[in-house]
Amino acid sequence: SQTIHQWPATLVQPVGSPLSLECTVEGTSNPNLYWYRQAAGRGLQLLFYSVGIGQISSEVPQNLSASRPQDRQFILSSKKLLLSDSGFYLCAWSGLADTQYFGPGTRLTVL
Amino acid sequence: GESVGLHLPTLSVQEGDNSIINCAYSNSASDYFIWYKQESGKGPQFIIDIRSNMDKRQGQRVTVLLNKTVKHLSLQIAATQPGDSAVYFCAENLRGTSYGKLTFGQGTILTVHP
Repeated sequence: SQTIHQWPATLVQPVGSPLSLECTVEGTSNPNLYWYRQAAGRGLQLLFYSVGIGQISSEVPQNLSASRPQDRQFILSSKKLLLSDSGFYLCAWSGLADTQYFGPGTRLTVL
Repeated sequence: GESVGLHLPTLSVQEGDNSIINCAYSNSASDYFIWYKQESGKGPQFIIDIRSNMDKRQGQRVTVLLNKTVKHLSLQIAATQPGDSAVYFCAENLRGTSYGKLTFGQGTILTVHP
């Protein structure tokens, strides 16, 4: 069966510091991968998606970037965090079907 | 723009009652719909899905109904339990997108009282 991992689970970072969140998927090949952000009490906002290694598409302009160095690895990064980057970051994958399956999420607090 | 939305942001029920969570969508080109359950501090969990060529689909204690005429989607939970308390999101997939882009509603908070 497929599983999706995210780490760290929680992170507290100062404004201006760099960020690296990692997501890995097991049990599937060539998945579509997604990064979402969820503000407190709100819905999910799609940030990036990837249909293959090195292929990244951005949905919204922002202070973040994404990379996919391996088939089942998706990384969310920032060079300098802003207060507004705080939130719950979710990685998801999908296969041939359209269903997206989510990871456990990373709670990011920028102080 | 076109979007998926929810009629009720909160729903409180008694344990054992049936729950109905509603969702309206405006894009007639959508052909796939999903319901997710999200517990506090966790990622959304897939519950059930339905394609536009169906109007009803049943799972374990859950049923999704799709009314394409009025662009309405609902999730019915039978014999609601305290463990069902969570935020429920509907999502739609727009036909023709190459990567299965989903548009999510804002969510409904379901609270089940023992």
